[in-house]
Amino acid sequence: DAMVIQNPRYQVTQFGKPVTLSCSQTLNHNVMYWYQQKSSQAPKLLFHYYDKDFNNEADTPDNFQSRRPNTSFCFLDIRSPGLGDAAMYLCATSRASGSPETQYFGPGTRLLVL
Amino acid sequence: QQPVQSPQAVILREGEDAVINCSSSKALYSVHWYRQKHGEAPVFLMILLKGGEQKGHEKISASFNEKKQQSSLYLTASQLSYSGTYFCGTNAGGTSYGKLTFGQGTILTVHP
Repeated sequence: DAMVIQNPRYQVTQFGKPVTLSCSQTLNHNVMYWYQQKSSQAPKLLFHYYDKDFNNEADTPDNFQSRRPNTSFCFLDIRSPGLGDAAMYLCATSRASGSPETQYFGPGTRLLVL
Repeated sequence: QQPVQSPQAVILREGEDAVINCSSSKALYSVHWYRQKHGEAPVFLMILLKGGEQKGHEKISASFNEKKQQSSLYLTASQLSYSGTYFCGTNAGGTSYGKLTFGQGTILTVHP
């Protein structure tokens, strides 16, 4: 089945130690998104790629970076995680068809910062 | 700007109905509804495009009032499986793919 896959599902890191979360998709969608979701809050868009074009949200901290080496994969790098970065990180994909399209979410990676 | 959902929480008995509202201060191109169960990813329910359309999916339907920038999600004859947090995601246009801003969520609990 076509899907969005995130690895790992759970990630524990130390304060200040860089961490990378990965997302892959078999849907061949142009657009890939990274969201941060804290407990009992809405998903908050960090950035997204439209093909190779990177689009950062204005309020996304510089501590968060992303890479998309090809259509299928996208990575979220947190350069120096703080305690406030503990959250669920959701990857989503959608087509770019000229009309609003469904976003398909992966299962998420829950990040714990010690 | 984040859309506002109401109510924040709803508690139902199985078989009862509920309405969840989503309001935006911005002109909207589309509204997307998702349901998220605890610890899981959001699951897509439906998209509504500007034009005041109404959509339905079994016992879950939704409407979009473009003039008021409001959308409502209707859950009829609720089932235990409807429990979860419902998010509306709004798209103000400007892209060819619909970048979303999510409301704060409405927690729906259905009891037997």
